[in-house]
Amino acid sequence: QVQLVQSGAEVKKPGASLKVFCKASGSTFSDYYIHWVRQAPGQGLEWMGWINPNSGGTNYAQKFQGWVTMTRDTSISTVYMEMSRLTPDDTAMYYCATSLQLWLPFDSWGQGTLITVSS
Amino acid sequence: DIQMTQSPSTLSASVGDRVTITCRASQSVDSWLAWYQQKPGKAPKLLIYKASSLQSGVPSRFSGSGSGTEFTLTISSLQPDDFATYYCQQYNSYWTFGQGTKVEI
Repeated sequence: QVQLVQSGAEVKKPGASLKVFCKASGSTFSDYYIHWVRQAPGQGLEWMGWINPNSGGTNYAQKFQGWVTMTRDTSISTVYMEMSRLTPDDTAMYYCATSLQLWLPFDSWGQGTLITVSS
Repeated sequence: DIQMTQSPSTLSASVGDRVTITCRASQSVDSWLAWYQQKPGKAPKLLIYKASSLQSGVPSRFSGSGSGTEFTLTISSLQPDDFATYYCQQYNSYWTFGQGTKVEI
């Protein structure tokens, strides 16, 4: 099973951008899809999108199209999630997670990255 | 988008109780339904996939059933480690989660 390690917590100002990384180990990087899921404080889970580390192909939930970008660096088995134009509503824990094939649930999760957006 | 609704939102139970959580989908998701357990400050953990298949390493006291639009997660004998929040997730059309059910003492 793949292990995922995410970047550390950050505090951002409204209007700023962020870039979070998710580094994979323990399995072939291109063998699975990586998804991003966020969880606002005390709230439920929200799927944001996926990236295929092999092809670089992406698909975003409609809500996040245009202001979230997922990329990867295969040389270091790392994917990135960038968000622009942050607002306080984007304060959340951001998780990366894997699915072995596209239309499957998420069997491995990173530890989460807490993003706080505050002036 | 497919909406997922869980009930109850909170469930009070004791060690040894049989616990059942329900998840309803706004349209059929066939059997493409998963259950996760999340403890405070931790990432979710996959328990059940394809409605009733137990993920490797998950205790057999957890079971899932259902198809179409109605699903249940059952814990046959609640253990101290099971006090957590449980989420259902459909993956028939993209991925959406229920709002969660907190199992508390």
